[in-house]
Formats: sequence, C-alpha cells, structure tokens
Amino acid sequence: NAGVTQTPKFQVLKTGQSMTLQCAQDMNHNSMYWYRQDPGMGLRLIYYSASEGTTDKGEVPNGYNVSRLNKREFSLRLESAAPSQTSVYFCASSTLTGRAYEQYFGPGTRLTVT
Amino acid sequence: EDQVTQSPEALRLQEGESSSLNCSYTVSGLRGLFWYRQDPGKGPEFLFTLYSAGEEKEKERLKATLTKKESFLHITAPKPEDSATYLCAVSTGGGNKLTFGTGTQLKVEL
Repeated sequence: NAGVTQTPKFQVLKTGQSMTLQCAQDMNHNSMYWYRQDPGMGLRLIYYSASEGTTDKGEVPNGYNVSRLNKREFSLRLESAAPSQTSVYFCASSTLTGRAYEQYFGPGTRLTVT
Repeated sequence: EDQVTQSPEALRLQEGESSSLNCSYTVSGLRGLFWYRQDPGKGPEFLFTLYSAGEEKEKERLKATLTKKESFLHITAPKPEDSATYLCAVSTGGGNKLTFGTGTQLKVEL
C-alpha cells in the first residue's frame, strides 16, 4: 500500500516551458487535491477534485490546469511556467472520517522555474 | 474567511522539556481541526483530527486538545526525533477543503 505517490520528485524548467505533475493514490479515496507550499505562506490549495469527473478551483488556481484521469489519478499542468511558480507541490487524497475529510499527502515535487 | 494562526513560529526545547504549541482559529462552522507533522523535504503526515470543544487525542508523547477558539498540541518529555514542523488546519462548510496555518518549527536538542 503505497498511499499517495507523486512524480517527478524534482524538476527545473525555463520560463515558458510546460510540464505535468502526476499524482496517484491507492487508498480508494474519492477526493484529491493539489497544494503548493512556499516559505512563510503555508499550504495553499490550487485545485481539488471532490469525486471522479469533477474539479474545482482552490485559493490559487491561476496558471494551472488539472485533470482527474480516473479515481486513482489527478494531474496538475503548468502550460507556460513562470518564476512565481517556483514552489513545492503536494498532492493529497481524502476520506470522510466522522464529519470531516482527513487528507493524506504525497512526498512532494520540488519545482524551480528559471 | 477562515483564518488559522499558529504560535510560536519556532520553538527550541531541551530533551525532556515539555511545552505546548498553539493553533488559534476564526471560522464559521468548524467541522474538524487537524494536526500534521512535516519533516524537512517530506509531505505532511497526519496526526490527529478533533471535532468538538473539549475533545482530546493522544499519540505517544503528543496530546492535542480543542476549545471553541484554539487547539493546543502538548509535547511531553520530547526527544530529538520529535523535531519537525507541526501544522494545524481546519475544515468548514462541506468539509472537503482545509485551511492551513503556517506551522511551528520545533527543534529538540540533547
């Protein structure tokens, strides 16, 4: 049981390049999320998918697109990377426990845009 | 808008020196308050969920408590391996999204 996996672990892009971050979970969770983490800013939600076939914007969606490929996989795409997108990106999935959704995180992708 | 504030930003303890981390929140309709541990270069690791004021949860040297305005993470007789950043988050409304604080960076020294 691997939990939440992310690829790649590290990536360096030039301004204007595109890339897709991959995320997969094997816990049979319905909901999945993409966050970015910057020093002093905490974790901020980019997009989430409450269930297969649905996606919604979070707090900081500009410059990103997502695809919920199936129940297991949720990808994040940067169409034209900018230096402001230099960050650590985390994928998470969640299950309803009690009356709240407990989220479980992947190991992260460290992205640098030059 | 939901707000979560954690204090202190950083805390240095000697091994065995107990202390508490604070998470204060301003939300409408709390569904759950969460504590996570994050080691350098890794993703947040789930620790606890608290639902109602007065609730407490324990795990080894950690105990989380909840009031109507804040949560505390008490660390009893900490060890160097407890060194990490501790994150607090809240869920409201539909319960599917979390709002995170910026964390407390804890260092436990021998």
